[in-house]
Formats: sequence, C-alpha cells, structure tokens
Amino acid sequence: GAVVSQHPSWVICKSGTSVKIECRSLDFQATTMFWYRQFPKQSLMLMATSNEGSKATYEQGVEKDKFLINHASLTLSTLTVTSAHPEDSSFYICSARVITDTQYFGPGTRLTVL
Amino acid sequence: AQKVTQAQTEISVVEKEDVTLDCVYETRDTTYYLFWYKQPPSGELVFLIRRNSFDEQNEISGRYSWNFQKSTSSFNFTITASQVVDSAVYFCALSDNTGGFKTIFGAGTRLFVKA
Repeated sequence: GAVVSQHPSWVICKSGTSVKIECRSLDFQATTMFWYRQFPKQSLMLMATSNEGSKATYEQGVEKDKFLINHASLTLSTLTVTSAHPEDSSFYICSARVITDTQYFGPGTRLTVL
Repeated sequence: AQKVTQAQTEISVVEKEDVTLDCVYETRDTTYYLFWYKQPPSGELVFLIRRNSFDEQNEISGRYSWNFQKSTSSFNFTITASQVVDSAVYFCALSDNTGGFKTIFGAGTRLFVKA
C-alpha cells in the first residue's frame, strides 16, 4: 500500500523555539494533506487541510500564525510549530489523500516542549 | 454537522471473548464514508475498513466483522475470539461531502484484552 512518512519521529525542544515536521508521500502524489494533533488519551483532532500550491485551511480554534503549513509539492507538506510552548507538546499526525475516500496516515511525530 | 460518537471509553475482556465496539455517526449527507482504525501503543494508525454510504453490506475479515446500519446510523465493530494483541485504541471515523471529505474521528475506545 501507499506509504506516508514523517520526519522526525520525535523531537524535544526548548520553549520558545520553532520546530518543523515534514510529511511525505513516498510512492504517490497527494494534492491534499491533513494535519492532526492528538493529546494523550484523546482522539485525533484535525488542525488543517493543506492543498498543494495554495494556503492551508485551518480548523476553528487553530492559530494559523502559530502552526505554519506549507505544501510546496505534491509529495511534501510541512508543519512548523512556531515559538513552541509546553502546551504544544503532542503527537502530530499527517495524512495524504489520494481520492475522496482514501487517506493514508503517517506514523506520527511526538513533540515534547520543555 | 458531522459527528462520531463512541460511547464506550474503555472495555476490558478476557482472551477468547467476543467484543463489540459501538459507533454512532451523524451527517446530513447522503454520500459519506465510514472508517475504523486501530491505534496500538506505538501510535501509528492501522487502517481496518472503509465503507461508503451506499454499501450497507456487512463485512467479515478473519476475526473482525462490521455491522453497518443506516437506519440507526451505526457502524459497529466486532472482534471474535479476542487476543491480547487486539489490545489497542480503536477509532471510528467519518468523512462526508459537506465537510469536504475531511475525516473526523470519534473519541476512541480503549480495548484491554487480558490473557
């Protein structure tokens, strides 16, 4: 099946720094990618929809200036958490959509902000 | 509006027992898709099944089976003869036309299977 990778798989950073997470579709092209956040023992919450070549669409309550999303190519989307704080510590998961009903998820990135 | 409800927060069973995980969804659309995912402790989501709104046929895959009932807006998941390796969090999810086919997830059900 199709593979989506995320890099890094985990990251620890100091409060106030920015962290970039990459999401790549390895063997297919994806015009649409999604970013989710999952706090411990909670569900996946959709943060934003990323379309190649256009601005991301953010879900209500998600700060677009804090979570910068760039989808520069059909195989790569990046999420940058700017000025990270401990409350941003979470598990970030991306997915890439091939067609309407088919979405492939990455393995996730665990972010810890000290 | 889209909504997925998994009322069971945690379920604990003994190995070889059958267990059913409930999922109730809400959507105004006639075209929509339902999913089940497994999330083991590693965190990586494992796709289990996709069902579109026009296909109410139940499905069986090994020890797994799914019951899709449009009349009650439910898409329940049954594991037969559960095993310890089935211990995980299971998510039911929905995507529909009004939501731009973004996938939203239920709260998840944590399943513990004891030996």
